[in-house]
Amino acid sequence: EIVMTQSPATLSVSPGERATLSCRASQSVTNNLAWYQHKTGQAPRLLIYGASTRATGIPARFSGSGSGTVFTLTISSLQSEDFAVYYCQQYHNWPPWYTFGQGTKLDIK
Amino acid sequence: QVQLQESGPGLVKPSETLSLTCAVSGYSITNAYYWGWIRQPPGKGLEWIGIISNGGITYYNPSLKSRVTISRDTSKNQFSLNLNSVTAADTAIYYCARDLRSIVQPMDVWGQGTPVTVSS
Repeated sequence: EIVMTQSPATLSVSPGERATLSCRASQSVTNNLAWYQHKTGQAPRLLIYGASTRATGIPARFSGSGSGTVFTLTISSLQSEDFAVYYCQQYHNWPPWYTFGQGTKLDIK
Repeated sequence: QVQLQESGPGLVKPSETLSLTCAVSGYSITNAYYWGWIRQPPGKGLEWIGIISNGGITYYNPSLKSRVTISRDTSKNQFSLNLNSVTAADTAIYYCARDLRSIVQPMDVWGQGTPVTVSS
């Protein structure tokens, strides 16, 4: 099993500031890494796939980077609607055994 | 526009079978891609359960494999999850999603989720 570890567990940032979220894989997943935004009571929303490609309709303030075992999601200027929980997920294995990080909760400071 | 909607009982007794259905609109599940289930226990993160391909091939999380079956009804354009011998640990919000693994992309469209409680 590939274990995904996210840090920090909670991040408090003021609107308009930059947020940087980290995700580490226990072994290389090359660039088969996705980021999701999840708000309570809603469906998770795909933000980034392939470690750095924005999904359809995702604003340019969201960017992803990294490869192998270390990944970063950056939100350049936080908007009120960005406060949510963010998960990273690897989809590297075949046969598939996808695993998620435990999530980073992005709070309003 | 692809949409997925989960349905099923919100309460299941311990040792019984949890059965959920995901109705898909806007895309045929036999056309391409994979179709999967994910869950989130209260206060915890997301756990991948398994997927079924457009051709009916299934893959499961090894930790759940002995209890899980994913099937499909192509005439209704829906797929289903059966999880047997449930315990309180299976209490969770269950999501279905479209999985683009065949083009090396992740799950891109999710349902809203349906809560399931395991309790007598």
